[in-house]
This record gives sequence, structure tokens and C-alpha cells, in this order.
Amino acid sequence: AQRVTQPEKLLSVFKGAPVELKCNYSYSGSPELFWYVQYSRQRLQLLLRHISRESIKGFTADLNKGETSFHLKKPFAQEEDSAMYYCALPGGGNTGKLIFGQGTTLQVKP
Amino acid sequence: EPEVTQTPSHQVTQMGQEVILRCVPISNHLYFYWYRQILGQKVEFLVSFYNNEISEKSEIFDDQFSVERPDGSNFTLKIRSTKLEDSAMYFCASRETGATRVTQYFGPGTRLLVL
Repeated sequence: AQRVTQPEKLLSVFKGAPVELKCNYSYSGSPELFWYVQYSRQRLQLLLRHISRESIKGFTADLNKGETSFHLKKPFAQEEDSAMYYCALPGGGNTGKLIFGQGTTLQVKP
Repeated sequence: EPEVTQTPSHQVTQMGQEVILRCVPISNHLYFYWYRQILGQKVEFLVSFYNNEISEKSEIFDDQFSVERPDGSNFTLKIRSTKLEDSAMYFCASRETGATRVTQYFGPGTRLLVL
């Protein structure tokens, strides 16, 4: 069954420090993976997806099929990066539903 | 940029009462979803809706839940007889097609508190 694991509930770093938010997945077949972000009091919004291999707001994520991981990284954290981050993948079938990880709160301290 | 909207933002209700949560998906989108997030837990899929019918539902989506698209714009989630454990944040989402590469857009959520 499809599953997403985000082992850290909270990640606290200082401004300018590197950030890595961990995501591991279980998926039969070739996965598509996403990172969604939720800033305080705002809606969930797509941050990036592995298919597009783009960098958004300085964040990147590489799909590692061997380790079944899709960790989110940023070399230098900014205070405005403080938010809740969710890793997600399609839930199977053709309805397009998403399966989410538990989420990691990133706290960037000044 | 068009957005998914949800009303109300907060709802407090008594156990056993019916609630209707409303969503207005993005206008040219064809696939609609409800998710919920109990405080401190992950976002969970409830139901997907396409072509005026449920295309998939989770184990959570029991007979107490129903969805409807009563007109061309609204998409509603009804809980017939609320229970304490229905207290959660409910998110509506929509996407243009069913292809997973197509972005799924989320509403701001409705926080439901059942007393």
C-alpha cells in the first residue's frame, strides 16, 4: 500500500543554516512525489513535484528510488520558510487522490 | 489566480447535529476532493467526486457522510449526525483533470468543532 513517512514532527534551525526535511515513501510502481507547504493560517499549496525537477523558493528535492526517499532541501534557510511541510504521493487508482505524510513543522529562528 | 474557497471558516456544532461544509472549486476543474485533518494528525483523504458521482471514498467516509454538487459551482460535504471524533479541519480540493501531474488546489479549510 502507498505510504508516506515524515519522521520529524519539528525541525528547528537558525536563519542561514541548511535545511533537510525527510520524506520516505512506499509505492508500487513508478512514483510521483510532491511537497506541499502550509504557511501560518494559509492553505496547502504545492511547493514542488519531482517530475518537474524545478527549484521553488530555493528548495529542491531529489527522488532516490534506491532509498525510497524524496527529501526536501534548501542550502540557506530564511525566516519566511517557517511553515508546515507535507510530502505526498498519489494514492493509487485513477481518482487523483493524494496520500500525505504526517508533516514537518520547520521553524527558522533569527 | 483563481482559488478554491470554503465556507464557513469555523463551525461549532452539538453532537448529533447535521453540518454542511461548502466549497467552491476552481471553475474549469472537473475533479473534486474532500480531505480532513484531525488536530495533530496527517491530512487524510475522504472522498473524490467526478462527473456528478463519487469516484472513490475512504474507510472514514461512512454512511454519515455525503457529498453533492447541487449546482454548477458548489461542492458540499454533509455530515448527518456529527460525533465528537468528527472534530477536524476539512479541506476541499479540485483539479482540472484526473492526471496526477496536474496540480491539486486546496481551499483554506473549515475547522469543525463538535461539542
